[in-house]
Amino acid sequence: GQQVMQIPQYQHVQEGEDFTTYCNSSTTLSNIQWYKQRPGGHPVFLIQLVKSGEVKKQKRLTFQFGEAKKNSSLHITATQTTDVGTYFCAGRTGTASKLTFGTGTRLQVTL
Amino acid sequence: NAGVTQTPKFQVLKTGQSMTLQCAQDMNHEYMSWYRQDPGMGLRLIHYSVGAGITDQGEVPNGYNVSRSTTEDFPLRLLSAAPSQTSVYFCASSYGLAGGDTQYFGPGTRLTVL
Repeated sequence: GQQVMQIPQYQHVQEGEDFTTYCNSSTTLSNIQWYKQRPGGHPVFLIQLVKSGEVKKQKRLTFQFGEAKKNSSLHITATQTTDVGTYFCAGRTGTASKLTFGTGTRLQVTL
Repeated sequence: NAGVTQTPKFQVLKTGQSMTLQCAQDMNHEYMSWYRQDPGMGLRLIHYSVGAGITDQGEVPNGYNVSRSTTEDFPLRLLSAAPSQTSVYFCASSYGLAGGDTQYFGPGTRLTVL
């Protein structure tokens, strides 16, 4: 079945440093979504990418969808303590009804 | 709009007991799903539904049943609880592929099976 892996599993940065998490799928995806989960909270939708090579920005967050539509990345510039949480990617194959979530990357930011 | 609601927030069961986790949404979403979250394993799909009367298995369906008699409700039943089912359970809903596909999650139920 479809597998979606994320690396790294965990990253600890100093406030102001950049952060990147990578998402890799075993199959070609029709779209990729990114979610953020604060500690003790539930996942919250951030963005969806659909087109090959697509790049979208949300303030300090930059999302990319690979040319082959099998990988994606989330880059945070100049992290802040409010960025703390776990970031998940989630992908869908074709018109499949199932959405497969990645294993997540937990980000810790300290002053 | 209340969004996606889940009850209870916390539950402790003994091995062999059964129970139902409730999930409801008031956004008229067609798609609803149940996920379990375990440390280091992300969110794994248990069961999902693409509309009232239609359900299907996800990645880890064993030990769980679902039904979807209305658009609003999607309960998850644990038939005979086992310690391996200790987890955080999230219900999610969306308009589906044609409607933008954003998943809206409930606050979760923390389940401990002793």
